Amino acid sequence: DAMVIQNPRYQVTQFGKPVTLSCSQTLNHNVMYWYQQKSSQAPKLLFHYYDKDFNNEADTPDNFQSRRPNTSFCFLDIRSPGLGDAAMYLCATSRAILSGRATDTQYFGPGTRLTVL
Amino acid sequence: AQSVTQLGSHVSVSEGALVLLRCNYSSSVPPYLFWYVQYPNQGLQLLLKYTSAATLVKGINGFEAEFKKSETSFHLTKPSAHMSDAAEYFCAVSDTGANSKLTFGKGITLSVRP
Repeated sequence: DAMVIQNPRYQVTQFGKPVTLSCSQTLNHNVMYWYQQKSSQAPKLLFHYYDKDFNNEADTPDNFQSRRPNTSFCFLDIRSPGLGDAAMYLCATSRAILSGRATDTQYFGPGTRLTVL
Repeated sequence: AQSVTQLGSHVSVSEGALVLLRCNYSSSVPPYLFWYVQYPNQGLQLLLKYTSAATLVKGINGFEAEFKKSETSFHLTKPSAHMSDAAEYFCAVSDTGANSKLTFGKGITLSVRP
């Protein structure tokens, strides 16, 4: 089945130690998103890629970076995790449906729960 | 700018009872509307979506939602709750323009009593 895969499902890191979360998809979607979701809150968009075009949200801290080496994979790098970065990180994908870059339904992966000690 | 309002944070129903989760939206352009469900420590799963076709949308697991433009609402219903429906439910709105993004409501936790 086509899907969005996130590894690892649970990640523990130390305060200030860089960590990378990965996302892969078999849907062949050209748009990939990273969300941060804290306990009992809605997902918050960090950034997204439209093909190789990176789009950062205005309020995403510089501590968060992303890489998309190819269509299938996307990585979230947290350069110096703080206690406030402990959260569920969700990857999602969608396909562009119009030349004007409107996008279709977003499909989410199972998430990676990050703990910062 | 778009927004979604989900009033209340928790709904509790008895097994077999009607489920009604409310969602109101604000959008300056014709919206796409979505309901997602999230089980503990899982990602978001699409329940159903409205994309300007039929106003009554049927989704998975027996859920449906009706788009009412006059009320700017997209409430989620299920005639008979099952224990497995206990989860967090998010309503979201997306415009159809360039670089469209999802705007989520705060979510509602549904509990189902035996």
